[in-house]
Amino acid sequence: DGGITQSPKYLFRKEGQNVTLSCEQNLNHDAMYWYRQDPGQGLRLIYYSQIVNDFQKGDIAEGYSVSREKKESFPLTVTSAQKNPTAFYLCASSIPPAGGPYEQFFGPGTRLTVL
Amino acid sequence: GENVEQHPSTLSVQEGDSAVIKCTYSDSASNYFPWYKQELGKRPQLIIDIRSNVGEKKDQRIAVTLNKTAKHFSLHITETQPEDSAVYFCAASKGYQAGTALIFGKGTTLSVSS
Repeated sequence: DGGITQSPKYLFRKEGQNVTLSCEQNLNHDAMYWYRQDPGQGLRLIYYSQIVNDFQKGDIAEGYSVSREKKESFPLTVTSAQKNPTAFYLCASSIPPAGGPYEQFFGPGTRLTVL
Repeated sequence: GENVEQHPSTLSVQEGDSAVIKCTYSDSASNYFPWYKQELGKRPQLIIDIRSNVGEKKDQRIAVTLNKTAKHFSLHITETQPEDSAVYFCAASKGYQAGTALIFGKGTTLSVSS
């Protein structure tokens, strides 16, 4: 999991501003994911991408956007349309070993606070 | 879509006791069920997983059981130790190829006191 990095570790945003969270991996993984973690809510899927230039909405995609222009990178933009963006955001990536199943490797997370 | 319910939300045990965490899922097409452990301030990590064609899987002190008919699966930790204290998440998916979305439960905070 040391091959996945997220930056910044802490991020503060004013209401009405868009902000982009970085996620980079050097594991040569095809699939990447973004989760939001709130106390008592577990991990909720925002977006995921199986390959470059392709991504799918998760359960809570409203107010978020992503891009997957490179295999190594999957940035998440939290837009002003996200009504309650203060949360801990986790990025993950995965690749199936021969015969599966697969493990998702998580980054260290970014804690976003809206002021 | 898939919904995963996890119980209990908190669990306190004495060192050496066993701990059991239970999850139910709604979509009968789900066929892969991993468990992740998240220690305080750290990222989640896979500790054990099970496919739908297996009823039980063990790895040292941890085991997972699956009842497809009832659509529930459980994590069993025996001889608990203080270092087992963490938040545990169950998850379900309809496949185990990379790119298949995992749906997580809300987590169980396990506290092991010595």
